[in-house]
Amino acid sequence: DTGVSQDPRHKITKRGQNVTFRCDPISEHNRLYWYRQTLGQGPEFLTYFQNEAQLEKSRLLSDRFSAERPKGSFSTLEIQRTEQGDSAMYLCASSPSQGTFRYEQYFGPGTRLTVT
Amino acid sequence: QKEVEQDPGPLSVPEGAIVSLNCTYSNSAFQYFMWYRQYSRKGPELLMYTYSSGNKEDGRFTAQVDKSSKYISLFIRDSQPSDSATYLCAMSATGGFKTIFGAGTRLFVKA
Repeated sequence: DTGVSQDPRHKITKRGQNVTFRCDPISEHNRLYWYRQTLGQGPEFLTYFQNEAQLEKSRLLSDRFSAERPKGSFSTLEIQRTEQGDSAMYLCASSPSQGTFRYEQYFGPGTRLTVT
Repeated sequence: QKEVEQDPGPLSVPEGAIVSLNCTYSNSAFQYFMWYRQYSRKGPELLMYTYSSGNKEDGRFTAQVDKSSKYISLFIRDSQPSDSATYLCAMSATGGFKTIFGAGTRLFVKA
């Protein structure tokens, strides 16, 4: 399977705990994106990597959120001191960096986070 | 005002109907327009991708972009129960990487 994969698929945590999600993009894609989606809304952009460089962070990404892509392959998204408002689906997507195909983002299945 | 507006529905149609889904936007810099389909508790799946104005057809799906009106549409012909899903419009500016999504329209196709 050469699609985008995410792990875990579901995570239930207590308020105040830290959580980390992993995303493995399509292997030949340089660009990697993180989005957050809440019920009844479209995905909201969180951050973007080109190779290992994090080039943009949304103002939605508070200081409690950090993302890394250390070797330009997989990426992790960590949320520290989780709050109930962090409950959402966290989506990862990837795309090529060249040509018009760079606008075609391919999404993983998402990690559903529930903070109790 | 949101940059991209999309009627959340739900939209319910009988099998075989032609479905019309629409989005409006406010940012004239948007040049790339996408439609994604999302089944419940799954990630979005790219359906169609269009650059600037015009039409694009792929099987039962037709995407239209009218930049003068800042209005995009997705038409589904001969709709099937398997088309029941949420349809998200998305758009991006030239040279940009940030894609803005609509809220999605929930579609139900009844057998």
